Amino acid sequence: DARVTQTPRHKVTEMGQEVTMRCQPILGHNTVFWYRQTMMQGLELLAYFRNRAPLDDSGMPKDRFSAEMPDATLATLKIQPSEPRDSAVYFCASGSMSSYNSPLHFGNGTRLTVT
Amino acid sequence: AQSVSQHNHHVILSEAASLELGCNYSYGGTVNLFWYVQYPGQHLQLLLKYFSGDPLVKGIKGFEAEFIKSKFSFNLRKPSVQWSDTAEYFCAVNDYKLSFGAGTTVTVRA
Repeated sequence: DARVTQTPRHKVTEMGQEVTMRCQPILGHNTVFWYRQTMMQGLELLAYFRNRAPLDDSGMPKDRFSAEMPDATLATLKIQPSEPRDSAVYFCASGSMSSYNSPLHFGNGTRLTVT
Repeated sequence: AQSVSQHNHHVILSEAASLELGCNYSYGGTVNLFWYVQYPGQHLQLLLKYFSGDPLVKGIKGFEAEFIKSKFSFNLRKPSVQWSDTAEYFCAVNDYKLSFGAGTTVTVRA
């Protein structure tokens, strides 16, 4: 059963440190999404890639967040410098969305705590 | 772009009770609609989806949803809930990206 793999599962870091989260999408999927989930804001879309090209990163604070897909098997989300308000669960999801009607498959998330 | 509104923030009910969760979306042409479920401590999983055809869609675990175009609604239902249905439920709409509602926490008491 193919799955989206996210690493690390948990990350605790101090304010000001760099954080890198990784995602391996399901093989053959051509879209990758990064979502952030908090109690207050719910699920927020941070970035969206199709065929490795960033199509929408309007939900991402540009001054500290960056998202990339160096190849089709790896997506990264980086925060530099991290702040306590970045504490959340970050989900990666992949899909095959040539016609926008395919569901997304979510990874187990990275739980980030910034102290 | 689409937006999604879920009516209830938290629903508490007893086992065997019926469940209905409301979801409305903003108009934006052809819609693809989804319900996802997130069990405590887990990732989101697809419950069901609607693209076209029969507006009554059946999903996993006894859930169903009805698409009512005139009301821009896609409500989720289950006739008889179980304790294991305790989870957070998200309605989502897809135009070119998947937009989620705020979620409804469902607590089923044994």
